Amino acid sequence: GENVEQHPSTLSVQEGDSAVIKCTYSDSASNYFPWYKQELGKRPQLIIDIRSNVGEKKDQRIAVTLNKTAKHFSLHITETQPEDSAVYFCAASTRGTYKYIFGTGTRLKVLA
Amino acid sequence: NAGVTQTPKFRVLKTGQSMTLLCAQDMNHEYMYWYRQDPGMGLRLIHYSVGEGTTAKGEVPDGYNVSRLKKQNFLLGLESAAPSQTSVYFCASSYGDRGQNQPQHFGDGTRLSIL
Repeated sequence: GENVEQHPSTLSVQEGDSAVIKCTYSDSASNYFPWYKQELGKRPQLIIDIRSNVGEKKDQRIAVTLNKTAKHFSLHITETQPEDSAVYFCAASTRGTYKYIFGTGTRLKVLA
Repeated sequence: NAGVTQTPKFRVLKTGQSMTLLCAQDMNHEYMYWYRQDPGMGLRLIHYSVGEGTTAKGEVPDGYNVSRLKKQNFLLGLESAAPSQTSVYFCASSYGDRGQNQPQHFGDGTRLSIL
């Protein structure tokens, strides 16, 4: 069945450094890739998404890149701040299937 | 505009008891979903609905039932609770667009413990 692998499971960075989280998907028909941030005890919230017709998308300090050939996509956070500390989930979805397959999450810790 | 609202927020059950979790959305979304979140396992899809009166199974449907009698509500039922169903349950909704998948909006979650 469809699968999304996410790495690393935990990531610690110094404040101001960059953080990169990578996901690999199995269904070559997947065409929509959202990223969610979940703070402790809170709901997952969408932070950025990308569709398969785009290779890169940026929103201030956050960017997502997509490599369809290799079937992987990555989240890049620059100039990290303590408030970036959270669990980040990637997901993949295929048009017409209505379902989203989530990665297992990455716990990011930004050290002040 | 409340978005996605889940009730209750917390619940403790004894093995064998039944209960219903309610999800309500006020965004006129077509699609609604129930997930469970367990440590180290991300979000796993239990059941979903693509419209009023329709439901479908997700990855982990066993032990759960759902109903979507009204477009704005999606109910998740546990007929006979088991300790393995201890988890945090999230409801989500999204616009229905056959052309392009849309972002999901999540509720605050229900923390359920089965003793």
